[in-house]
Amino acid sequence: QVQLVQSGADVKKPGASVKLSCKASGYTFTSFYLHWVRQAPGQGLAWMGLLDPRGGSTSYSQKFQGRVAMTWDTSTSTVYMELSSLRSDDTAVYYCARESYYGSGNAFDIWGQGTVVTVSS
Amino acid sequence: DIQMTQSPSSLSASVGDRVTITCRASQTISTYLNWYQQKPGKAPKLLIYAASSLQSGVPSRFSGSGSGTDFTLTISSLQPEDFASYYCQQSFKTPRTFGQGTKVEIK
Repeated sequence: QVQLVQSGADVKKPGASVKLSCKASGYTFTSFYLHWVRQAPGQGLAWMGLLDPRGGSTSYSQKFQGRVAMTWDTSTSTVYMELSSLRSDDTAVYYCARESYYGSGNAFDIWGQGTVVTVSS
Repeated sequence: DIQMTQSPSSLSASVGDRVTITCRASQTISTYLNWYQQKPGKAPKLLIYAASSLQSGVPSRFSGSGSGTDFTLTISSLQPEDFASYYCQQSFKTPRTFGQGTKVEIK
């Protein structure tokens, strides 16, 4: 079935970097944009950026510009998101999501299970 | 960036109630508006795309309407499994911004 499977929970110290993975299966990997969305404890959803697996082009939220990098590996149908210079307020659940295009719009129809990242000294 | 404003932030309702959540965009987004449901500890789930199209497998008690800047999600008869948080999202341009969410609680 179509699914996105994310890497496991991680704990990092302030100032460190974290690299998360999101492995796609059940569909043609290069046919859909993949996005990253995060959710801090008790907060709403915040879009971080997207990657186009056809050629690797990216677009990042200004909030994370300079700290985030999204990469991909077509051979394993995996997208990666690295966030650097971690702070305590980066503690959150990080989701990857596939964007599907319908005739009349586009939406995140498949989501990964989420990865909990805790930043603590 | 396009700002998305939902109201109310939370509401209390009973099983069987009709519930309406509104979402306003800071600029026109045509019908590039989606609605998601999120339960505690779970990933969001797509309910409605393109303002009014029901995602496959979603019960017909959920409906969406609107265009331009003003949108509505309606649950015609609230069921126990519908107690959750709901988010609108614009897909008109990047960044793909979300509303702040509406928590639907049991009265």
